[in-house]
Amino acid sequence: EPEVTQTPSHQVTQMGQEVILRCVPISNHLYFYWYRQILGQKVEFLVSFYNNEISEKSEIFDDQFSVERPDGSNFTLKIRSTKLEDSAMYFCASSESDLNTEAFFGQGTRLTVV
Amino acid sequence: QKEVEQNSGPLSVPEGAIASLNCTYSDRGSQSFFWYRQYSGKSPELIMSIYSNGDKEDGRFTAQLNKASQYVSLLIRDSQPSDSATYLCAVKVGRDGGTSYGKLTFGQGTILTVHP
Repeated sequence: EPEVTQTPSHQVTQMGQEVILRCVPISNHLYFYWYRQILGQKVEFLVSFYNNEISEKSEIFDDQFSVERPDGSNFTLKIRSTKLEDSAMYFCASSESDLNTEAFFGQGTRLTVV
Repeated sequence: QKEVEQNSGPLSVPEGAIASLNCTYSDRGSQSFFWYRQYSGKSPELIMSIYSNGDKEDGRFTAQLNKASQYVSLLIRDSQPSDSATYLCAVKVGRDGGTSYGKLTFGQGTILTVHP
């Protein structure tokens, strides 16, 4: 069964460093997303990506964040100059379309900023 | 602020019983509704999707949608201890001004415990 895969599963980084979280969406999906979940809190939308550009982003997704689809399969989230409050689970998701279709989530990357 | 509200629980039911999980949403433009299950430390796993008013059944799960009341629910029949998890309600707003980008808005989740 097709699935969204994320690497690494756990990333520890020092405050101020840059991290890149990687995702391989389901192959025939066209819409890609990043969400995050701080421990004990809701799953929060960060950004959606379609047709090689950002289609929507939340207030959380400021200049510290960027996304890229460097090739036909990978989808990355870059966090520059990480802060302690960036510590969270980051989930990648993908869907065939935007309306009335299901989004499937990867297993997540646990980011710990120390 | 577009909100999705769930009772955080915990909801405790005995094995074999029906578990009823509820969710309300504030945006009348919402068109797609989803239930995800999340085990501790894991990612959301899709259980059900529902797009039109009424009931939708899949195995032991039934999703119910009432757009007039802005209410969506999930029933789990013959609950099993393995159903113990956090259940997330998620809502997707329909096209507004011709654009929609598939963003999901999640509730805070309801913790379900099924005891033997």
